[in-house]
Amino acid sequence: DAGVIQSPRHEVTEMGQEVTLRCKPISGHDYLFWYRQTMMRGLELLIYFNNNVPIDDSGMPEDRFSAKMPNASFSTLKIQPSEPRDSAVYFCASSPHSGGARQETQYFGPGTRLLVL
Amino acid sequence: TQLLEQSPQFLSIQEGENLTVYCNSSSVFSSLQWYRQEPGEGPVLLVTVVTGGEVKKLKRLTFQFGDARKDSSLHITAAQPGDTGLYLCAGARGGSEKLVFGKGTKLTVNP
Repeated sequence: DAGVIQSPRHEVTEMGQEVTLRCKPISGHDYLFWYRQTMMRGLELLIYFNNNVPIDDSGMPEDRFSAKMPNASFSTLKIQPSEPRDSAVYFCASSPHSGGARQETQYFGPGTRLLVL
Repeated sequence: TQLLEQSPQFLSIQEGENLTVYCNSSSVFSSLQWYRQEPGEGPVLLVTVVTGGEVKKLKRLTFQFGDARKDSSLHITAAQPGDTGLYLCAGARGGSEKLVFGKGTKLTVNP
């Protein structure tokens, strides 16, 4: 299995531009998560989907951020307009359906390193 | 306020030494996971603990979940340079798929 695939791996853009990050989860996984990691705040959950439906978007910082999952094999995280404080590493992760009390493993992609100038 | 506090934030030791890192909270978790993250990569799961007082061993790594399920520790025996990385604890509450992560302990093991 190829694992979780994210693109691009690096993105440098100017303030005010639109940024789109892409994720392909592991085939067969029911859950998809978007995280942001910074030195100051650590790894923060932005939003997660179950069977392509957004379940919890309480971590999305503001209306400039939006996420979609049009099908089971693709998701996007969009920032419009981008600001310097959005600079971070953005991770996508997927996990299978747990079906029980035990927490399932989340499989992380390699991340997209975003720099907004 | 960070829900999961990890300590120490940074740790630099020599090869062969033992170490313990901690993950503490005032909240109860239904399960707790430990991940390791290497530079330029995403976190990778090491272990999941679900029962208060549970101890799990993974080669030279020993993980313990507190009796009250509010805290956890990771002990590494005879650390090796390959153990270098960011160790993250993550808690789940009430059967939710949502994980809350600590900020991590950055471990450096010098040869």
